Amino acid sequence: DARVTQTPRHKVTEMGQEVTMRCQPILGHNTVFWYRQTMMQGLELLAYFRNRAPLDDSGMPKDRFSAEMPDATLATLKIQPSEPRDSAVYFCASGQFMRGNEQFFGPGTRLTVL
Amino acid sequence: KQEVTQIPAALSVPEGENLVLNCSFTDSAIYNLQWFRQDPGKGLTSLLLIQSSQREQTSGRLNASLDKSSGRSTLYIAASQPGDSATYLCAVPGSNDYKLSFGAGTTVTVRA
Repeated sequence: DARVTQTPRHKVTEMGQEVTMRCQPILGHNTVFWYRQTMMQGLELLAYFRNRAPLDDSGMPKDRFSAEMPDATLATLKIQPSEPRDSAVYFCASGQFMRGNEQFFGPGTRLTVL
Repeated sequence: KQEVTQIPAALSVPEGENLVLNCSFTDSAIYNLQWFRQDPGKGLTSLLLIQSSQREQTSGRLNASLDKSSGRSTLYIAASQPGDSATYLCAVPGSNDYKLSFGAGTTVTVRA
């Protein structure tokens, strides 16, 4: 049963601390997406990768957020320094490189910045 | 910029009733439309993907229709059950990229 996995599932941290979230896409998928969900904004795309290369990160605050794919089985989203307004659920999704293909979502990381 | 709207925002029905959830989008040049389900505190589960060349897609009690020209999709859930209570979201990718634009969702409550 292929699934996208994310760690940690929950993270509570203090303002100013670094936060790293990890995602393992479904094996064989070559596109990876990072989304953020809040009550106010709903689901927003932060960044996406194809074949490990970043294609678009225009949704991310560049000064504090960074996204990477060190290898095909791992995507990371880092926030440094974190702020209370970053509190949200962060989802990773993966899919195939074809516009007709589905995106499959992980369970999310619930981040709380105090 | 693609705008996706879902109406109604919330729906409460007695068990056994059929559900009709609506999704509209402003840019009809879409490749596909995806319906998701989200339970409270959980991730998104893909329910149906309907390609732009299709008019409908079925999976069990779920049926999704797509009318690209009018910018609309409808998700039908037959014979609703309390376990169908969740938020349902529709999403479409951009015409030039894979970014999904999401509707705000319809929160469904099925009363036993």
